[in-house]
Amino acid sequence: SQTIHQWPATLVQPVGSPLSLECTVEGTSNPNLYWYRQAAGRGLQLLFYSVGIGQISSEVPQNLSASRPQDRQFILSSKKLLLSDSGFYLCACHSERGGFYEQYFGPGTRLTVT
Amino acid sequence: DQQVKQNSPSLSVQEGRISILNCDYTNSMFDYFLWYKKYPAEGPTFLISISSIKDKNEDGRFTVFLNKSAKHLSLHIVPSQPGDSAVYFCAAITSGTYKYIFGTGTRLKVLA
Repeated sequence: SQTIHQWPATLVQPVGSPLSLECTVEGTSNPNLYWYRQAAGRGLQLLFYSVGIGQISSEVPQNLSASRPQDRQFILSSKKLLLSDSGFYLCACHSERGGFYEQYFGPGTRLTVT
Repeated sequence: DQQVKQNSPSLSVQEGRISILNCDYTNSMFDYFLWYKKYPAEGPTFLISISSIKDKNEDGRFTVFLNKSAKHLSLHIVPSQPGDSAVYFCAAITSGTYKYIFGTGTRLKVLA
């Protein structure tokens, strides 16, 4: 089964500073990867998804970007953080077997922008 | 445009009773639905799913019902336990698109 690693677990950054969150996946090859954000008291908002190296689809226009430099690595970045970027960021991986779909989630990163 | 909606932000149920969590969707192209459970500061964990070719799927204490004509699905938990207290998300996907759409979640509290 797949295992998703995310780091750091928590992060406090000032407004205007850069951001880099990393996600790596074990136990699968050529996975579909996703970045979600859960803002306080809100649902899971899909930010980016990737079906392969260098292939990124953006779902919400914002000051965040994503990159996939390796098959099992997905990075979320920002050049200048905003207060509204605070939230809980989740990396996920798609799995499909015999017509059954599932997403596996990583442990998440709590980002607080001050 | 919220394609997947969970209109009840919270629900309280007595231990041992049934918990019913509801989810509505608007996109008729969705053909696979999932329920996830999430504790604070953790990633969601998969609970149960259902394909649009079925109207019911059961796994232990968890049963998901799908009403395609009403574009509605529900998760039943019987009997409810205090450990079930968490936020529950429903999600939908169209086969081949790889894009999951999540609802806003319902916070379930099971009272001992």
